[in-house]
Amino acid sequence: NAGVMQNPRHLVRRRGQEARLRCSPMKGHSHVYWYRQLPEEGLKFMVYLQKENIIDESGMPKERFSAEFPKEGPSILRIQQVVRGDSAAYFCASSIFATNEKLFFGSGTQLSVL
Amino acid sequence: DAKTTQPNSMESNEEEPVHLPCNHSTISGTDYIHWYRQLPSQGPEYVIHGLTSNVNNRMASLAIAEDRKSSTLILHRATLRDAAVYYCILRDQGAQKLVFGQGTRLTINP
Repeated sequence: NAGVMQNPRHLVRRRGQEARLRCSPMKGHSHVYWYRQLPEEGLKFMVYLQKENIIDESGMPKERFSAEFPKEGPSILRIQQVVRGDSAAYFCASSIFATNEKLFFGSGTQLSVL
Repeated sequence: DAKTTQPNSMESNEEEPVHLPCNHSTISGTDYIHWYRQLPSQGPEYVIHGLTSNVNNRMASLAIAEDRKSSTLILHRATLRDAAVYYCILRDQGAQKLVFGQGTRLTINP
């Protein structure tokens, strides 16, 4: 029973490039959450999605960041024109229901912007 | 989201019990108390959650004060693998997301 799978584990980009982070939720889970963790800081909520819908994007930066969770395939967090400040660990979590269910987290993608 | 207060860091010895405190004086009646932990270089991991009564599972116990303004996560016999940042989080029963604070960094001495 595979857990939440995130890839790549490490991603290196130069300033101005695009970063695409993928998250495959646990089997049967239709709720996905993305979090960002800057070095030596806590986890910050970014966005919550259900299949094909963005439910809460209150933590997403207004520009350059987007997320999707298509009917088929993994959830994608996309960062356009990356800057050094985007360097962080990005974690994805999934749950089977929307409310008061425990979240299962992936191992994260470490994004480094040169 | 109601706020929680945890010590920045704690230290304990291997094979001894660990009591991690959390204060949440502004907790509402519908807030559940959740604990997650994050081991180095990994994503957070669910530990336990409860509403009013004390809870036990294979990982830990959660002791909730009668007035619910504080709680304690208890690791009965710490191992080196329990070294992590432990997060105490209040989550309304209708809430969809978890809001993480700074947590307590637990160090286990051999």
